Formats: sequence, C-alpha cells, structure tokens
Amino acid sequence: AQSVTQLGSHVSVSEGALVLLRCNYSSSVPPYLFWYVQYPNQGLQLLLKYTSAATLVKGINGFEAEFKKSETSFHLTKPSAHMSDAAEYFCAVTQYSSASKIIFGSGTRLSIRP
Amino acid sequence: GAGVSQSPSNKVTEKGKDVELRCDPISGHTALYWYRQSLGQGLEFLIYFQGNSAPDKSGLPSDRFSAERTGGSVSTLTIQRTQQEDSAVYLCASSLGANNEQFFGPGTRLTVL
Repeated sequence: AQSVTQLGSHVSVSEGALVLLRCNYSSSVPPYLFWYVQYPNQGLQLLLKYTSAATLVKGINGFEAEFKKSETSFHLTKPSAHMSDAAEYFCAVTQYSSASKIIFGSGTRLSIRP
Repeated sequence: GAGVSQSPSNKVTEKGKDVELRCDPISGHTALYWYRQSLGQGLEFLIYFQGNSAPDKSGLPSDRFSAERTGGSVSTLTIQRTQQEDSAVYLCASSLGANNEQFFGPGTRLTVL
C-alpha cells in the first residue's frame, strides 16, 4: 500500500530564509510524486511532479524537490522565502505502473514571518 | 473556461436534507476524483472514476454518500440525510489518466446546520 507522511503540520520561516517542507513516501513500486499548493481560499494547484525522468525537479515560483530513493523522501525546498509563499502544501504519491488514485499527505501550513 | 468547474460554490443545508454537488471536468480527461477537506484536515479521498471502469468507492465514509459520472464527463456527488459532520469543502479533480497530474476545481463549501 502507498502512503505519504508530511513531517510538521506547521512550518514558520522568516522572509528570505530557506524553506524546507518534508515528505516521506511508502510505495512497493516506483512512484510518481507530486507537490501541490493551496493558497488561502483557493483551489489546489500543482507545484511540481517527479516521474522518474530526473531526481531533481524544478517547479513554479522557485520551488524544487529532490527524489531520494534511499531515503524514500521527496522534500520541497526554496532558497529564499517570500511572503506570498504562505499557503498549505500537500505532498502526494501514486504508482506509475498501474491505474490508481493519488494519495495525499496531511498537508503542511507554511507561514512567513516579516 | 478550460478548468474544472464545480457548482454550487457554497451550499447551506439543514440536517437531514439531501444535497447534490456537481463537477464538470476538463474536456478529454478520463479520470475524475472527489475529495473532502474538513477544517484543519488534509484531503480525504472519496471516490475515483477512470474511463468506463467500475469506480473506486473505497473512500466513501458511509452509504449516505454516492457519486455517478454520466457519459464519462460530468459527475454528481450526492449526500443523503446530511449530518453536521458532513460540513466541509468538497473538491473535484480531473486528469488525463490515472497517473497524470490532477487539476482541481475551486470546491463546494457545504455547511450543514
């Protein structure tokens, strides 16, 4: 069975500081991995996705994530936080070898301190 | 518009009433998903349609919840005899296939009084 664990329901960083949101997955077969973002009172939108083409994935708004098979991790990073990055972030996993639903993590709320 | 649309955007209902929530997926997307997002909670998977296959209903919380997808396009999520704990934002998403990125609609905020 697949699962996703997001460490930390709430992360707070200062503007300009590094953003690191942690995601660990469990999957018996090679996974597809996603990060979605939900801004206040808005729907979810895709930040980036890993589909085995490259382990370092670059997404929108300066975010990137690195797939580490040995650590079963797919942490999301951004070198310098901006106030507009304040949102809820969801990590998600699915199997590429079969038709199956995407499993979402519980989400991490990112706050940015001025 | 080219995105996923949902209606109504807000629904207030009385406990015990039935409600229907509608989702119009992106044209050509074969996969359609329903999720529930309760206050302070993550995304709870409800049901998944893929093409003409039997839907994956494993996430429906009770038999009061049902969904159908007509003609492989529009989907309706029905909640019968609503309870206060059903209050949440119901999100619909669609994708080109089961493993492709999902595009989400704006959601329907359901409030059961």
